[in-house]
Amino acid sequence: AQTVTQSQPEMSVQEAETVTLSCTYDTSENNYYLFWYKQPPSRQMILVIRQEAYKQQNATENRFSVNFQKAAKSFSLKISDSQLGDTAMYFCASQVSSGSARQLTFGSGTQLTVLP
Amino acid sequence: KAGVTQTPRYLIKTRGQQVTLSCSPISGHRSVSWYQQTPGQGLQFLFEYFSETQRNKGNFPGRFSGRQFSNSRSEMNVSTLELGDSALYLCASSLVPGSQETQYFGPGTRLLVL
Repeated sequence: AQTVTQSQPEMSVQEAETVTLSCTYDTSENNYYLFWYKQPPSRQMILVIRQEAYKQQNATENRFSVNFQKAAKSFSLKISDSQLGDTAMYFCASQVSSGSARQLTFGSGTQLTVLP
Repeated sequence: KAGVTQTPRYLIKTRGQQVTLSCSPISGHRSVSWYQQTPGQGLQFLFEYFSETQRNKGNFPGRFSGRQFSNSRSEMNVSTLELGDSALYLCASSLVPGSQETQYFGPGTRLLVL
């Protein structure tokens, strides 16, 4: 079974500053993928960034980057130059395939508020 | 390319009724998954369909069912609605159901059961 833990229910950051959201996961699979999704007030779930577990290089996507520590099973998201539009609930998720079953498991989310 | 679409966006039902929600995946995507989101339980996996076959099912009662059509569109049905079924139901699509495939989400259907 997979578990994903986000220990920060809420965070805030000043506009233009940098913030890091934490995530730890647990899986017995060797082949897995990690994701950060954001869910703004509209409730639309939007992909932010993904990381292949077999890659040592941390994924980056414009102002968003991850710190992937495979041995520690840690997958944090860094948002640089925070913008008001970054205000959203952020979900960390892991995805594995076991046999014919593929499942995406989410953490409980971190509500990020960007302050003007 | 158009994104995942879900209809209806909002729905109000009463206990005991049944409801059908629809999801149209991104063009070319053949895998569709459904998730339930509630404040108490968070995001929970309901089921996944690929090539009109259910490949995986989460821990939900048999009142929750789904199907997929030959054009990859999917429907989920909830019978004998209970108050606890009030939730945001999210549909996600991917090319195929592999772990390497990113799932893209629709805007969701917000169901309120009175």
